Amino acid sequence: DVKVTQSSRYLVKRTGEKVFLECVQDMDHENMFWYRQDPGLGLRLIYFSYDVKMKEKGDIPEGYSVSREKKERFSLILESASTNQTSMYLCASSLGAGAHYGYTFGSGTRLTVV
Amino acid sequence: AQKITQTQPGMFVQEKEAVTLDCTYDTSDPSYGLFWYKQPSSGEMIFLIYQGSYDQQNATEGRYSLNFQKARKSANLVISASQLGDSAMYFCAMRVPGGGSNYKLTFGKGTLLTVNP
Repeated sequence: DVKVTQSSRYLVKRTGEKVFLECVQDMDHENMFWYRQDPGLGLRLIYFSYDVKMKEKGDIPEGYSVSREKKERFSLILESASTNQTSMYLCASSLGAGAHYGYTFGSGTRLTVV
Repeated sequence: AQKITQTQPGMFVQEKEAVTLDCTYDTSDPSYGLFWYKQPSSGEMIFLIYQGSYDQQNATEGRYSLNFQKARKSANLVISASQLGDSAMYFCAMRVPGGGSNYKLTFGKGTLLTVNP
């Protein structure tokens, strides 16, 4: 089975801290994605990557950056965490880029910024 | 712009009955994929079923079926013989072009299904 592993299930950080959310997949998938999920707003795409060292902005990239130095690892970085970044963060990967390829998700990281 | 609409914020169903969760979509691209995911309270997103825009038959996976009406741009999920473990948030999603030949999933806001004993 494809596995997508997010390093932390729950995280509490202080305002202004630099925060790293790590995501690793073990099935050689090309595409990786970061979403945030908020009640009433559903899932919104932050950034995605379709190859090592490649990245594209999603719908809400402000306040975030990403890093993909190795194919299996896609990191989401909050340069200076703010309370409005308190959310559930979901990482996903996909074997291919075609419309028929679904995502495999990690179990999510619930981030609280205080 | 591509859009997924789920108009039912919450639904209730009795155990062993069938339930339909609504999903409508909007895209001008002739090639797209439609997906349903289940998210239990634990938070993980579980893939349920897929329908391609060129598929002639409605997709089925066990107790899940997708009622695909292309002209109406709807892709409703039907769960037969509901079980208590079906209580969860359900998301409809569409994969659309996102930069060159890369595709990304756009999600609806979800429907919270509660199965009553």
